[in-house]
Amino acid sequence: DVKVTQSSRYLVKRTGEKVFLECVQDMDHENMFWYRQDPGLGLRLIYFSYDVKMKEKGDIPEGYSVSREKKERFSLILESASTNQTSMYLCASSLVVYQETQYFGPGTRLLVL
Amino acid sequence: SQQGEEDPQALSIQEGENATMNCSYKTSINNLQWYRQNSGRGLVHLILIRSNEREKHSGRLRVTLDTSKKSSSLLITASRAADTASYFCATAVVGGGNKLTFGTGTQLKVEL
Repeated sequence: DVKVTQSSRYLVKRTGEKVFLECVQDMDHENMFWYRQDPGLGLRLIYFSYDVKMKEKGDIPEGYSVSREKKERFSLILESASTNQTSMYLCASSLVVYQETQYFGPGTRLLVL
Repeated sequence: SQQGEEDPQALSIQEGENATMNCSYKTSINNLQWYRQNSGRGLVHLILIRSNEREKHSGRLRVTLDTSKKSSSLLITASRAADTASYFCATAVVGGGNKLTFGTGTQLKVEL
Protein backbone atom coordinates (compact mmCIF):
# COMPACT_ATOMS: atom_id res chain seq x y z
CA ASP A 1 0.00 0.00 0.00
CA VAL A 2 1.07 3.52 -0.73
CA LYS A 3 1.91 5.45 2.35
CA VAL A 4 2.04 9.23 2.47
CA THR A 5 3.01 10.72 5.80
CA GLN A 6 2.99 14.31 6.99
CA SER A 7 5.26 15.60 9.70
CA SER A 8 2.56 16.94 12.03
CA ARG A 9 -1.17 16.40 12.52
CA TYR A 10 -1.64 19.68 14.38
CA LEU A 11 0.53 22.78 14.42
CA VAL A 12 0.16 26.14 16.16
CA LYS A 13 2.35 29.03 15.00
CA ARG A 14 2.57 32.76 15.53
CA THR A 15 2.08 35.38 12.83
CA GLY A 16 5.36 36.08 11.06
CA GLU A 17 6.95 32.73 11.87
CA LYS A 18 8.51 30.59 9.16
CA VAL A 19 6.65 27.30 8.94
CA PHE A 20 7.78 24.04 7.36
CA LEU A 21 5.34 21.27 6.50
CA GLU A 22 6.92 18.05 5.36
CA CYS A 23 5.50 15.21 3.33
CA VAL A 24 7.10 11.85 2.62
CA GLN A 25 5.87 9.09 0.30
CA ASP A 26 7.25 5.58 0.11
CA MET A 27 6.12 4.44 -3.33
CA ASP A 28 8.65 6.13 -5.61
CA HIS A 29 5.98 8.43 -7.06
CA GLU A 30 7.17 11.15 -9.39
CA ASN A 31 4.36 13.62 -8.71
CA MET A 32 3.71 15.28 -5.39
CA PHE A 33 1.13 17.91 -4.51
CA TRP A 34 0.25 20.35 -1.74
CA TYR A 35 -3.37 21.41 -1.21
CA ARG A 36 -5.15 23.48 1.34
CA GLN A 37 -8.69 22.69 2.38
CA ASP A 38 -11.09 25.27 3.75
CA PRO A 39 -14.80 24.90 4.55
CA GLY A 40 -16.96 25.67 1.53
CA LEU A 41 -13.96 25.98 -0.78
CA GLY A 42 -12.94 22.36 -1.18
CA LEU A 43 -9.34 21.50 -1.98
CA ARG A 44 -7.23 24.09 -3.71
CA LEU A 45 -3.85 23.29 -5.23
CA ILE A 46 -0.94 25.33 -3.89
CA TYR A 47 2.07 23.77 -5.66
CA PHE A 48 3.02 20.53 -7.26
CA SER A 49 6.22 18.84 -8.30
CA TYR A 50 6.74 16.31 -11.08
CA ASP A 51 10.39 15.53 -10.38
CA VAL A 52 13.22 16.33 -7.99
CA LYS A 53 13.93 20.06 -7.95
CA MET A 54 10.99 20.68 -10.33
CA LYS A 55 7.92 22.58 -9.25
CA GLU A 56 4.90 24.29 -10.71
CA LYS A 57 2.52 26.80 -9.20
CA GLY A 58 -1.00 25.69 -8.54
CA ASP A 59 -4.05 27.86 -8.14
CA ILE A 60 -3.07 29.68 -4.92
CA PRO A 61 0.75 29.83 -4.61
CA GLU A 62 0.95 33.29 -3.04
CA GLY A 63 2.59 33.25 0.36
CA TYR A 64 3.99 29.74 -0.09
CA SER A 65 7.10 28.13 -1.47
CA VAL A 66 8.12 24.49 -1.87
CA SER A 67 11.22 22.37 -1.92
CA ARG A 68 11.87 18.95 -3.39
CA GLU A 69 15.45 17.86 -2.90
CA LYS A 70 14.70 14.12 -2.79
CA LYS A 71 12.12 12.18 -4.73
CA GLU A 72 10.28 10.95 -1.66
CA ARG A 73 10.07 14.27 0.17
CA PHE A 74 8.13 17.45 -0.65
CA SER A 75 8.15 20.40 1.72
CA LEU A 76 5.75 23.32 1.90
CA ILE A 77 7.14 26.52 3.36
CA LEU A 78 5.23 29.48 4.71
CA GLU A 79 7.89 32.19 4.68
CA SER A 80 5.98 34.47 7.07
CA ALA A 81 2.83 32.87 8.40
CA SER A 82 -0.34 34.93 8.45
CA THR A 83 -3.70 34.27 10.08
CA ASN A 84 -5.35 33.72 6.68
CA GLN A 85 -3.09 30.69 6.23
CA THR A 86 -4.88 28.91 9.05
CA SER A 87 -6.17 25.83 7.25
CA MET A 88 -5.94 22.09 6.73
CA TYR A 89 -2.96 21.21 4.52
CA LEU A 90 -3.01 17.99 2.54
CA CYS A 91 -0.14 16.39 0.70
CA ALA A 92 -0.65 13.87 -2.10
CA SER A 93 1.45 11.83 -4.50
CA SER A 94 0.85 10.01 -7.76
CA LEU A 95 2.66 8.10 -10.44
CA VAL A 96 3.90 9.96 -13.49
CA VAL A 97 1.04 8.47 -15.52
CA TYR A 98 -1.09 11.35 -16.67
CA GLN A 99 -3.80 12.51 -14.30
CA GLU A 100 -4.10 9.27 -12.39
CA THR A 101 -5.07 8.48 -8.82
CA GLN A 102 -3.63 10.63 -6.06
CA TYR A 103 -2.73 9.20 -2.67
CA PHE A 104 -3.19 11.53 0.27
CA GLY A 105 -1.51 11.96 3.61
CA PRO A 106 -3.55 12.41 6.80
CA GLY A 107 -3.32 16.21 6.71
CA THR A 108 -1.85 18.91 8.94
CA ARG A 109 -4.22 21.27 10.67
CA LEU A 110 -2.35 24.57 11.01
CA LEU A 111 -3.49 27.37 13.28
CA VAL A 112 -1.73 30.72 12.93
CA LEU A 113 -2.30 33.06 15.87
CA SER B 1 -17.34 28.88 -9.69
CA GLN B 2 -15.86 25.42 -9.28
CA GLN B 3 -14.96 23.08 -12.13
CA GLY B 4 -16.54 20.29 -10.12
CA GLU B 5 -19.57 20.98 -7.98
CA GLU B 6 -21.24 18.32 -5.90
CA ASP B 7 -24.90 18.17 -5.15
CA PRO B 8 -26.33 17.98 -2.57
CA GLN B 9 -23.95 19.70 -0.15
CA ALA B 10 -25.26 17.50 2.65
CA LEU B 11 -27.23 14.27 2.76
CA SER B 12 -28.64 12.36 5.71
CA ILE B 13 -30.04 8.84 5.30
CA GLN B 14 -30.81 5.75 7.34
CA GLU B 15 -28.56 2.71 7.35
CA GLY B 16 -29.51 0.32 4.58
CA GLU B 17 -30.75 3.05 2.23
CA ASN B 18 -29.00 4.06 -0.95
CA ALA B 19 -27.12 7.36 -1.20
CA THR B 20 -26.76 9.25 -4.44
CA MET B 21 -24.58 12.28 -4.96
CA ASN B 22 -23.92 14.20 -8.14
CA CYS B 23 -21.04 16.11 -9.64
CA SER B 24 -21.25 18.64 -12.45
CA TYR B 25 -18.29 20.11 -14.27
CA LYS B 26 -17.69 22.73 -16.93
CA THR B 27 -14.89 21.72 -19.30
CA SER B 28 -13.87 18.58 -21.16
CA ILE B 29 -12.25 15.91 -19.06
CA ASN B 30 -9.99 12.89 -19.47
CA ASN B 31 -11.30 11.21 -16.36
CA LEU B 32 -13.34 11.86 -13.24
CA GLN B 33 -12.48 10.47 -9.84
CA TRP B 34 -14.36 10.14 -6.57
CA TYR B 35 -12.68 10.38 -3.19
CA ARG B 36 -13.89 9.92 0.39
CA GLN B 37 -12.71 11.89 3.41
CA ASN B 38 -13.46 10.81 6.94
CA SER B 39 -13.69 13.64 9.44
CA GLY B 40 -10.38 15.45 9.82
CA ARG B 41 -8.43 12.94 7.74
CA GLY B 42 -6.87 12.70 4.30
CA LEU B 43 -8.74 11.72 1.16
CA VAL B 44 -9.02 8.14 -0.02
CA HIS B 45 -9.48 7.29 -3.67
CA LEU B 46 -12.67 5.36 -4.43
CA ILE B 47 -13.05 5.02 -8.18
CA LEU B 48 -11.88 6.48 -11.49
CA ILE B 49 -14.03 6.63 -14.60
CA ARG B 50 -12.56 7.61 -17.96
CA SER B 51 -14.26 9.90 -20.45
CA ASN B 52 -15.03 7.00 -22.79
CA GLU B 53 -16.74 5.00 -20.03
CA ARG B 54 -20.36 5.41 -19.01
CA GLU B 55 -20.61 3.30 -15.88
CA LYS B 56 -18.28 1.64 -13.42
CA HIS B 57 -18.79 -0.52 -10.33
CA SER B 58 -16.67 -1.22 -7.30
CA GLY B 59 -18.28 -3.22 -4.50
CA ARG B 60 -21.26 -1.19 -3.27
CA LEU B 61 -20.26 1.81 -5.39
CA ARG B 62 -21.67 2.63 -8.79
CA VAL B 63 -20.44 5.61 -10.77
CA THR B 64 -21.96 6.94 -13.95
CA LEU B 65 -20.58 9.55 -16.31
CA ASP B 66 -22.54 11.54 -18.86
CA THR B 67 -20.11 13.64 -20.85
CA SER B 68 -22.88 15.25 -22.90
CA LYS B 69 -24.36 16.68 -19.70
CA LYS B 70 -20.96 17.12 -18.05
CA SER B 71 -22.11 15.28 -14.97
CA SER B 72 -21.37 12.21 -12.88
CA SER B 73 -23.16 10.46 -10.08
CA LEU B 74 -21.94 8.25 -7.25
CA LEU B 75 -24.36 5.71 -5.83
CA ILE B 76 -23.61 3.92 -2.57
CA THR B 77 -25.97 0.99 -2.11
CA ALA B 78 -27.05 -0.45 1.24
CA SER B 79 -25.27 2.29 3.15
CA ARG B 80 -23.63 1.68 6.52
CA ALA B 81 -22.79 4.00 9.39
CA ALA B 82 -19.13 3.62 8.36
CA ASP B 83 -19.96 5.34 5.05
CA THR B 84 -20.44 8.59 6.95
CA ALA B 85 -17.88 10.91 5.37
CA SER B 86 -17.44 13.70 2.83
CA TYR B 87 -17.31 12.68 -0.79
CA PHE B 88 -15.46 14.68 -3.43
CA CYS B 89 -15.36 14.47 -7.17
CA ALA B 90 -12.14 15.41 -8.93
CA THR B 91 -11.84 16.12 -12.62
CA ALA B 92 -8.79 15.57 -14.79
CA VAL B 93 -9.29 18.37 -17.28
CA VAL B 94 -8.14 18.07 -20.89
CA GLY B 95 -4.96 20.10 -21.17
CA GLY B 96 -4.80 20.44 -17.40
CA GLY B 97 -1.45 18.77 -16.97
CA ASN B 98 -1.07 16.39 -14.04
CA LYS B 99 -3.52 18.32 -11.88
CA LEU B 100 -6.90 17.28 -10.59
CA THR B 101 -9.56 19.86 -9.78
CA PHE B 102 -11.62 19.02 -6.72
CA GLY B 103 -15.16 20.03 -5.94
CA THR B 104 -16.45 21.24 -2.59
CA GLY B 105 -17.83 17.88 -1.53
CA THR B 106 -21.02 16.23 -0.30
CA GLN B 107 -21.27 15.49 3.43
CA LEU B 108 -23.00 12.16 3.91
CA LYS B 109 -24.38 11.09 7.27
CA VAL B 110 -25.68 7.57 7.65
CA GLU B 111 -27.74 7.11 10.79
CA LEU B 112 -28.42 3.87 12.61
